[in-house]
Amino acid sequence: NAGVMQNPRHLVRRRGQEARLRCSPMKGHSHVYWYRQLPEEGLKFMVYLQKENIIDESGMPKERFSAEFPKEGPSILRIQQVVRGDSAAYFCASSLPDRYSGNTIYFGEGSWLTVV
Amino acid sequence: DAKTTQPTSMDCAEGRAANLPCNHSTISGNEYVYWYRQIHSQGPQYIIHGLKNNETNEMASLIITEDRKSSTLILPHATLRDTAVYYCIVRVGLLNRKLIWGLGTSLAVNP
Repeated sequence: NAGVMQNPRHLVRRRGQEARLRCSPMKGHSHVYWYRQLPEEGLKFMVYLQKENIIDESGMPKERFSAEFPKEGPSILRIQQVVRGDSAAYFCASSLPDRYSGNTIYFGEGSWLTVV
Repeated sequence: DAKTTQPTSMDCAEGRAANLPCNHSTISGNEYVYWYRQIHSQGPQYIIHGLKNNETNEMASLIITEDRKSSTLILPHATLRDTAVYYCIVRVGLLNRKLIWGLGTSLAVNP
């Protein structure tokens, strides 16, 4: 099975532009997560989604950031009007549905956003 | 804040066992202990997880103390490719969905 697929792997944006990061979960996984990692820091939870639903967005900044996981297609993390502080690695992860207690969360290789 | 504490860094000789400790003294009865590692500029890689019993897979062994307040990840024969940051995580949050990451242990495997 293919793992969690993220693209682009590297993205450069000028301040004020929009960044769109895409994530395709592992086959059979209906839960998607987004995490952010700033340089020299641990990963920080951003949002947890199921198909067409945002379950927990407690880690999302209140402005400029949004996430979706449509019925068809990949999950999208969208950052509007990027600023230099948005420069980070963004990791997507996926897992099986809830009925699998203790199930494992698998991560993609990340998308590295650089804002210039 | 992370519910785990780990040493900042460790060294290990190639071919020897690497034993990485983790304290999670406030762990609740239904919380799992997960281990991931992150090689520089790559995504976190799942290693192993456990609830109460010791666990072993093709990558590592996980030893959890009887009171569940600490655990040890064992890489039986460390190689240079095992050089990475190792994260011990207690799974918390709604339906155990949210992983809270600390700073992990930076393991250097030396030739």
